[in-house]
Amino acid sequence: EAQVTQNPRYLITVTGKKLTVTCSQNMNHEYMSWYRQDPGLGLRQIYYSMNVEVTDKGDVPEGYKVSRKEKRNFPLILESPSPNQTSLYFCASSYTINQPQHFGDGTRLSIL
Amino acid sequence: AQTVTQSQPEMSVQEAETVTLSCTYDTSESNYYLFWYKQPPSRQMILVIRQEAYKQQNATENRFSVNFQKAAKSFSLKISDSQLGDTAMYFCAFMSRETSGSRLTFGEGTQLTVNP
Repeated sequence: EAQVTQNPRYLITVTGKKLTVTCSQNMNHEYMSWYRQDPGLGLRQIYYSMNVEVTDKGDVPEGYKVSRKEKRNFPLILESPSPNQTSLYFCASSYTINQPQHFGDGTRLSIL
Repeated sequence: AQTVTQSQPEMSVQEAETVTLSCTYDTSESNYYLFWYKQPPSRQMILVIRQEAYKQQNATENRFSVNFQKAAKSFSLKISDSQLGDTAMYFCAFMSRETSGSRLTFGEGTQLTVNP
C-alpha cells in the first residue's frame, strides 16, 4: 500500500530535549516536505527536499533541521524544542515538484 | 508571496443539502494549481479536488465541484447531497507552477458540520 508513515503519532516532551520525528514513504517520490498545522493558521511549510541531499527552507524553518540521506526518509529534527513548537506536524511527498502531495497521518507534539 | 483566505471559520448544513465553501487567493502568477483538502477528525489530509489554472472548465469529483473564477481569484467548493461523513475541516490551498519548492500555501480552514 502506498503511504507516508510518520512516527511517533503523539509525543509529549520537555523544553530542550532533542527529538526526531521520522517520515518514510514507499512510493519512490523525489519530493518531500514538512508542514506544521496551528489553529487559525492552516498548514505552513517548514522545510522541503527535492531529492537526496537537496533540502531548502520553507516559510517557518526556525528551530528545525532536516536531512535527506536516502530517498525514502526525511526526518524532522528539533535540536532544542520550545513550547512554541507545540503543534501538529505533517510530512508529505510527491513524485516530483508541482504534483499533488500525499500526506502522512500527522504527529502531535507537545513541548512542556 | 501568495496568500489564501477562507473567510468562513465554521459552517453547517443539513444532510442531503448543498453547501458552498469560499476561498480567495492572491497571486501575481498565471500558472498554478488550486486544491481543496479535507481533514476529518482522524486528522488525515485527504485531497478532494484539484484545479489547474490554465483550464477554464471547473473540476468535478462525484459530489464535489468547484467554481473557479480566475479573474476574481476565487475558488469555491460545492458539496452536493451532503453526507455525515463530509463533516471535516476543509482547507483551500495554492501551489505555484512557476517557482521551485512545490510549496502548498493553505488557507485558515473551514470547519464543516453535516447535521442529520
